[in-house]
Amino acid sequence: GAVVSQHPSWVICKSGTSVKIECRSLDFQATTMFWYRQFPKQSLMLMATSNEGSKATYEQGVEKDKFLINHASLTLSTLTVTSAHPEDSSFYICSAPPGTGYGYTFGSGTRLTVV
Amino acid sequence: QKEVEQDPGPLSVPEGAIVSLNCTYSNSAFQYFMWYRQYSRKGPELLMYTYSSGNKEDGRFTAQVDKSSKYISLFIRDSQPSDSATYLCAMTIYNQGGKLIFGQGTELSVKP
Repeated sequence: GAVVSQHPSWVICKSGTSVKIECRSLDFQATTMFWYRQFPKQSLMLMATSNEGSKATYEQGVEKDKFLINHASLTLSTLTVTSAHPEDSSFYICSAPPGTGYGYTFGSGTRLTVV
Repeated sequence: QKEVEQDPGPLSVPEGAIVSLNCTYSNSAFQYFMWYRQYSRKGPELLMYTYSSGNKEDGRFTAQVDKSSKYISLFIRDSQPSDSATYLCAMTIYNQGGKLIFGQGTELSVKP
């Protein structure tokens, strides 16, 4: 149980285009979704926290207009990287707490390459 | 000083060895503790979740929490090459919606 499905697994896009990453909670309702970015050989860096039906909270230094987060339902949260540039290339991962008594569940990650 | 400290390794052990991974933390408000295993280019996989001091066992894995010392450990018995991965400790104050604070991750290699 407590599965978060993340798509796509990997994506290559041209510089200046936008890319949408989806995370769906399959067997629980995700009131909160966390979005992370991870560089090679480094730990996860929290980008933003999204709550269903409200605006996301972004960590210091994360551009709100570049990384658009939408959490319109209890089972779906999306991250859109707008006007992507090569420096946005990274591994993006979502995570949600499934409920009391359970550890947080992570998606399988999305490898974004901007060329 | 980081809130959570974890030796990044790398740690190399022979197959069958007992592996000990550790994290220390500075915030006594942390109540929920997790260990994750992350293979290259994959999302972290939850191994253990605890919320009290003491030991918790699941198969070859044992998680240990000592809140008085602000120290948590993960032990892997009879380690296998398939255990080769990066292990991340994580902790949070609030289980529902609280931010996870991660250690740096320890890279483990189990040699056949």
